[in-house]
Amino acid sequence: ETGVTQSPTHLIKTRGQQVTLRCSSQSGHNTVSWYQQALGQGPQFIFQYYREEENGRGNFPPRFSGLQFPNYSSELNVNALELDDSALYLCASSPGVGAANSPLHFGNGTRLTVT
Amino acid sequence: QKEVEQNSGPLSVPEGAIASLNCTYSDRVSQSFFWYRQYSGKSPELIMSIYSNGDKEDGRFTAQLNKASQYVSLLIRDSQPSDSATYLCAVGTGGTSYGKLTFGQGTILTVHP
Repeated sequence: ETGVTQSPTHLIKTRGQQVTLRCSSQSGHNTVSWYQQALGQGPQFIFQYYREEENGRGNFPPRFSGLQFPNYSSELNVNALELDDSALYLCASSPGVGAANSPLHFGNGTRLTVT
Repeated sequence: QKEVEQNSGPLSVPEGAIASLNCTYSDRVSQSFFWYRQYSGKSPELIMSIYSNGDKEDGRFTAQLNKASQYVSLLIRDSQPSDSATYLCAVGTGGTSYGKLTFGQGTILTVHP
């Protein structure tokens, strides 16, 4: 049990639609990172939020956006869904950029299927 | 060249044997190194972290790091069928990029009775 919870567990959307995924961070953690894991691949970094600001972004287009709220929970929004967006979306929280060597613990993930 | 590359699998070992998983990375400023285990349909679970050159042991798992060679490995002693999973190597640079880990593609390990 990592203390990071994600919702929903599974989601099916149609190409062109928009989706919002949610993540509740572990108590005391102010940084949230999002990853996309396509089938048969390792997770890929999407972006990180620290104290409600985006703090680092991977190689993902602008239709991938996020938010972090004052309680440090976070949302990942994807607009204009494409078939290749089908993946497991993972969220991890951490104590903050000062804890440079603390490992990331992931939530259970959201499985998104785009048809 | 991939940033983090793992030995190609799948890897199959008999129960009780040592499984050896290898990973190389390209970014010399990397500071933190992790091994995750992922069962089919589940999210990755951290099993080892290592930050300094040398060996780190935790139960049946030993992580080895050689920063000069940009190489990190995971040994699993007395392998059990329950160790059958995909093993992911992850590398971090720390600092303001703290939350960003770069993962390898994973190595599928099967331990057969």
